[in-house]
Amino acid sequence: GAGVSQTPSNKVTEKGKYVELRCDPISGHTALYWYRQSLGQGPEFLIYFQGTGAADDSGLPNDRFFAVRPEGSVSTLKIQRTERGDSAVYLCASSLDGGSGANVLTFGAGSRLTVL
Amino acid sequence: DAKTTQPPSMDCAEGRAANLPCNHSTISGNEYVYWYRQIHSQGPQYIIHGLKNNETNEMASLIITEDRKSSTLILPHATLRDTAVYYCIVQNSGGSNYKLTFGKGTLLTVNP
Repeated sequence: GAGVSQTPSNKVTEKGKYVELRCDPISGHTALYWYRQSLGQGPEFLIYFQGTGAADDSGLPNDRFFAVRPEGSVSTLKIQRTERGDSAVYLCASSLDGGSGANVLTFGAGSRLTVL
Repeated sequence: DAKTTQPPSMDCAEGRAANLPCNHSTISGNEYVYWYRQIHSQGPQYIIHGLKNNETNEMASLIITEDRKSSTLILPHATLRDTAVYYCIVQNSGGSNYKLTFGKGTLLTVNP
């Protein structure tokens, strides 16, 4: 597609529920990233995929968070047993190649998660 | 990654040039300077990047000092739609170039 698409744009859930957030990157972009942005803060890195594999998941806050990209295109961020502190905007980005040199990311509009 | 320092906020009159400063005194030789901006309720948007030389594109100009310890993003004719948070990021060109580290950025408000 023309840009990075994220669904849903807004998600309200109750504490303890399971949530999935979807990201559809730009066609042909091999690198995909998830970031999380809390109110008043800059985005924070969560995980980076190169193709189908998670090359760096060091930003995932704990084992309730998991992300997949089974076919090297669409990615899903999964959050189990949600907590109120998980409330944030979850941003997805993609780039042509996360390898060496300059690396320009294109971000989606984000999925706003609210945990009640 | 090197850290950056930006003023928390700036104002600019519509039609005037907006000059956004960024200090990155610990930048190393293989690190790029990137600028992104984030308009309210949208994802960050790439503006420009540079390594050593000044750069210009359809959105902005990037001026990097000779010692590379600071840079300035210039929006030559700011419009109301340029109101956003502007992030200055330094990022190495090596194997970990994927991990952008955002600070709090500068909130630029363009006034009519």
